[in-house]
Amino acid sequence: EPEVTQTPSHQVTQMGQEVILRCVPISNHLYFYWYRQILGQKVEFLVSFYNNEISEKSEIFDDQFSVERPDGSNFTLKIRSTKLEDSAMYFCASRLVDNTGELFFGEGSRLTVL
Amino acid sequence: QKEVEQNSGPLSVPEGAIASLNCTYSDRVSQSFFWYRQYSGKSPELIMSIYSNGDKEDGRFTAQLNKASQYVSLLIRDSQPSDSATYLCAVNGGATNKLIFGTGTLLAVQP
Repeated sequence: EPEVTQTPSHQVTQMGQEVILRCVPISNHLYFYWYRQILGQKVEFLVSFYNNEISEKSEIFDDQFSVERPDGSNFTLKIRSTKLEDSAMYFCASRLVDNTGELFFGEGSRLTVL
Repeated sequence: QKEVEQNSGPLSVPEGAIASLNCTYSDRVSQSFFWYRQYSGKSPELIMSIYSNGDKEDGRFTAQLNKASQYVSLLIRDSQPSDSATYLCAVNGGATNKLIFGTGTLLAVQP
């Protein structure tokens, strides 16, 4: 069964360092999303991406965040200068271009900022 | 601010019983409603979707939608210990059909 894959599964970094989280969405999906979940809190929307550009972003997604689709398969989230409060699980999700809206999530990347 | 509200629980039910999970949402224009299951430390897993008023059944799961009351529910029949997880209600919203999640209800099925 097709699935969304994410790497790394866990990354530990020092505050102020840059981090890149990688995702391979399901191959025929065209909408891509990043969500985050701080431990014990809700799953929060960060950004959506379609047709090689950001289509919507939340107020969490400030200038330190960026997304890119560098090739035909990968979708990345970059955090330029990590802060302690960036520690969270980051989930990539993708969906078809249809009206069902069903999102399929990857297993997540746990980011720990020290 | 579009909101999705859930009772955080925990909801404790004995094995074999029916678990009833509830959710309300604030955005009247939402058209798609989802229930995800999330085990501790894992990613959300889609278990049910519902788009029109009424009931939708899939195996032991039944989703119920009432758009007039802005209310979605999930019934789990014959609950099993393996159903113990956090159940996330999600509602579509915004221009890109992003999902807005509730805080989730922790379900504990007691053997």
